[in-house]
Amino acid sequence: DTAVSQTPKYLVTQMGNDKSIKCEQNLGHDTMYWYKQDSKKFLKIMFSYNNKELIINETVPNRFSPKSPDKAHLNLHINSLELGDSAVYFCASSHRTEASYEQYFGPGTRLTVT
Amino acid sequence: GQSLEQPSEVTAVEGAIVQINCTYQTSGFYGLSWYQQHDGGAPTFLSYNALDGLEETGRFSSFLSRSDSYGYLLLQELQMKDSASYFCAVRDLINTDKLIFGTGTRLQVFP
Repeated sequence: DTAVSQTPKYLVTQMGNDKSIKCEQNLGHDTMYWYKQDSKKFLKIMFSYNNKELIINETVPNRFSPKSPDKAHLNLHINSLELGDSAVYFCASSHRTEASYEQYFGPGTRLTVT
Repeated sequence: GQSLEQPSEVTAVEGAIVQINCTYQTSGFYGLSWYQQHDGGAPTFLSYNALDGLEETGRFSSFLSRSDSYGYLLLQELQMKDSASYFCAVRDLINTDKLIFGTGTRLQVFP
């Protein structure tokens, strides 16, 4: 059974396009996250939702818009893609915000913008 | 500011013991987590220290000294499959409950 799943696994697109990444967790967790991992493997949080409510919104361009239709799903839509958006995007979840120290990560979506 | 420092790379041979250090400077601190990430894979949770001392989980142990803002991950009886990147991460609760990850340490285990 897949705990945290993401689609697609790979995404290659051109500058200026709009794309979405979907994430689902079947762990019954209340909190979900989006991370960006750059080419130097630096892992940085972008957003976090708790029971569909946005609780963390880091300094991210407003071209990135998360959406949580329910607590098991967290999607990420990116408008007007730029070269610098190329990275691996990870979705993660934790039982609750107080348990953020133990997060379960999805397999990642490797985004390449050309 | 907030920063977590780790060595960029560590090498060792099979069967050896290796220690990966993490020093942190954060505005808030509730505990130190460790994650493992194989190339092309996702980070996976290894351990968490909220209190000073050593936590042991099989071949892996994690240590925390809050007074020194320092922790380490100890890997014993190294195996080839332990070759991966290891990240320390701090819970930041000043503004929001989030994990701040360190720079990561790439461990290479040789036969």
